Amino acid sequence: QKEVEQNSGPLSVPEGAIASLNCTYSDRGSQSFFWYRQYSGKSPELIMFIYSNGDKEDGRFTAQLNKASQYVSLLIRDSQPSDSATYLCAVRDDKIIFGKGTRLHILP
Amino acid sequence: GAGVSQSPSNKVTEKGKDVELRCDPISGHTALYWYRQSLGQGLEFLIYFQGNSAPDKSGLPSDRFSAERTGGSVSTLTIQRTQQEDSAVYLCASSFRGQLEQYFGPGTRLTVT
Repeated sequence: QKEVEQNSGPLSVPEGAIASLNCTYSDRGSQSFFWYRQYSGKSPELIMFIYSNGDKEDGRFTAQLNKASQYVSLLIRDSQPSDSATYLCAVRDDKIIFGKGTRLHILP
Repeated sequence: GAGVSQSPSNKVTEKGKDVELRCDPISGHTALYWYRQSLGQGLEFLIYFQGNSAPDKSGLPSDRFSAERTGGSVSTLTIQRTQQEDSAVYLCASSFRGQLEQYFGPGTRLTVT
């Protein structure tokens, strides 16, 4: 059974600090990795994807991929209260599998 | 451009009735996915279409659930003889090709009374 694991949280981070969200996956053959943000009562919104080992930066967001250790992380710099949401990790090999998400709470 | 649209946004139905949920993907997207999300839970994969064919139906929870896609565009998810445990938000997503990044619609909230 291929799995994508995330800590359910909640993860509480002070405003302005760096929020670090982690995700591990079971299948070494996984090729593509996605981070979605889901506000309460809303549908998931794609915020980043990463295909290669290393870091990928987009504004305040950085995705980090380590295929050898089978983890992918999302860093949010200068956290804002509007970043409070559930963050879903998704991993693709022959199909896309979503984690259950980590609830992030930015403390004003 | 227009995103994924779903209708209705909310549906309340009585136990035992049939319901149809509609998804209109982003124009040009060949892949379409249906998911279910119960309150406070993760995404439960239901079915995946590539064009009009469904290579992966592994997530459909029972034979009361079926889906079709016509013209490589609009998809309908049908739930027959609804049960209270079918109550959830049903999300549709599309992608340019299979297994690339998916874009979600706003969902249909189904309540079975």
